[in-house]
Amino acid sequence: SQQGEEDPQALSIQEGENATMNCSYKTSINNLQWYRQNSGRGLVHLILIRSNEREKHSGRLRVTLDTSKKSSSLLITASRAADTASYFCATEDNFGNEKLTFGTGTRLTIIP
Amino acid sequence: DAGVTQSPTHLIKTRGQQVTLRCSPKSGHDTVSWYQQALGQGPQFIFQYYEEEERQRGNFPDRFSGHQFPNYSSELNVNALLLGDSALYLCASSAGLTNGELFFGEGSRLTVL
Repeated sequence: SQQGEEDPQALSIQEGENATMNCSYKTSINNLQWYRQNSGRGLVHLILIRSNEREKHSGRLRVTLDTSKKSSSLLITASRAADTASYFCATEDNFGNEKLTFGTGTRLTIIP
Repeated sequence: DAGVTQSPTHLIKTRGQQVTLRCSPKSGHDTVSWYQQALGQGPQFIFQYYEEEERQRGNFPDRFSGHQFPNYSSELNVNALLLGDSALYLCASSAGLTNGELFFGEGSRLTVL
């Protein structure tokens, strides 16, 4: 079963604009990760944020985590055509389970 | 440095048949996890192998089985295929059991007719 959901399911923006995607989850977590997937191919890890962190940056990516609301957001600034992909959040819970539970994904389209 | 490699990339089977998918982890990684991704969905955890043992299993029936070899490579076997087993099967590797970043292969696209 899916841990949670991303919102929106699909997002189209103009190149150069910022894109924001949200993720909600259900259980207590150890960490939350964001992955990108191009056209049904393999997933690429973008960023990991631990449960005791509130914000993290990596290049044009900014991730926030609100454990009280069980939610996270991914911001991509100054979007590029190459950012067109599906984005998934994934959580590792803190019950000792050694697995990631993925959300349903946001399909991002950057319009040149 | 080779990343995670999976084979075959595409395959077509009929209902009731059996399939074996293969995965070689990234160099230096000893843990392999398998995920099933149905069209339009997020990946779902099948199981994880470490030290040639299944360490954790998701909500999949016993028709799904696996194996890890001494060189850390892994196989996923699915018996008595159903139409609903059609999906992209992803292998991911990591160093050790603690989940940090996972490195994914390009996947094996299975179609069951």
